[in-house]
This record gives sequence, structure tokens and C-alpha cells, in this order.
Amino acid sequence: DAMVIQNPRYQVTQFGKPVTLSCSQTLNHNVMYWYQQKSSQAPKLLFHYYDKDFNNEADTPDNFQSRRPNTSFCFLDIRSPGLGDAAMYLCATSGTESSYNEQFFGPGTRLTVL
Amino acid sequence: EDQVTQSPEALRLQEGESSSLNCSYTVSGLRGLFWYRQDPGKGPEFLFTLYSAGEEKEKERLKATLTKKESFLHITAPKPEDSATYLCAVGDTGRRALTFGSGTRLQVQP
Repeated sequence: DAMVIQNPRYQVTQFGKPVTLSCSQTLNHNVMYWYQQKSSQAPKLLFHYYDKDFNNEADTPDNFQSRRPNTSFCFLDIRSPGLGDAAMYLCATSGTESSYNEQFFGPGTRLTVL
Repeated sequence: EDQVTQSPEALRLQEGESSSLNCSYTVSGLRGLFWYRQDPGKGPEFLFTLYSAGEEKEKERLKATLTKKESFLHITAPKPEDSATYLCAVGDTGRRALTFGSGTRLQVQP
């Protein structure tokens, strides 16, 4: 089945220690998104890629970076995690950049910062 | 700025007790309204897309409807396995990405 895969499912890091989260997709979608979701809150868009075109949300902290080496893979790098960065990180894909289209989500990575 | 407000924040039902969840939205130009289901510790699972006022879609015990200002997710005779958080999101002509609401946490007790 075509799907969105995130690794690891659970990540524990120490305050200030860089961490990388991974997302891969078999849907062959052009667009990949990274969201941050804290408990009982709406998913908050951090950035997205349309093919290799990177689009950053205005309020995404510089501490968050992303890479998309090819169509299938996308990475979220948190350079110096703080306690406030503990959250669920969701990767999603979409066939086009238009907001007509539904997004398909991966299972998420739960990040804990000690 | 797009806004999506979901109510109630939490809802507890008895098995078989039908109810509705509300999603109110403000957008400059609606391109689509999306409903997702999210189980604890998992990513959102796509349920429905609605594009225009008056449109309705159904899936098992769920039925989604759309007006110019809000959408309802009707749950008929719910079962405990329907327990989850239901998220609403809108797409706008002026934005590339969806705007999500905070969700309604539904608990169905046997």
C-alpha cells in the first residue's frame, strides 16, 4: 500500500542536542509538509516543499531546518532542541500544492526533550 | 487571516447516542473543507473533502455537511471504536497550505 512513513516513532533527546527526524513516501507526491502538534492543539505548519522548492512559514523558528534530497524523502532537523520543542512532529504529502487537495499524514514522531 | 473553530472541545456519548460536531470557518475563498480522524499518538487519517455549500458525504456512521460558514460531522449510533479526535481543516485560495482547527475529542462509552 502507498503510504507515508516516519522514523523514528519516538525520539528522546537532550536539551540542545541536535536531532533529525525522517519521512519517506511511496505516493510519489510532489508536496511534502512538516507540522508540529502539541497536546490538544491544531497541527501547526512549519514548512513545506513543492518538489525542491522550499517554503518556510513566517513564524517557524530558525532552529528548525529541513532537507529534501529526492522526491521520496524529507528530513526535519532541530539544531538545538529546547523544552518547548517537545511535541508530535507530523509529515504529510499532497499531490499538488493547491489547497484543493487533501493531505496524507504519516504516523508521527513523538519528540521528548530532557 | 483564515480561522477554524471547532466545538465542542470534548464530547462524551453513550454507545448509540447520535450527535454532531461543529466546524466554523472564516476564509477569503474556500477551496475545500477537510475532515480528519486522529487516534491518540497517531497521525491524522483523512475522512472527507467538501467543496461547496450544500454538499454532503457519508462514510459508515459519519456524515459531513457544509454551509457557507460551517461544517457539521454527524455521528449516527456511534460505537466505542469511533472514539478519537476529529479535526477540521480548510483550504483557501490565498494560501498553499491548510488551516486546522484544534479538534473535538470524542469519547463513546459502551
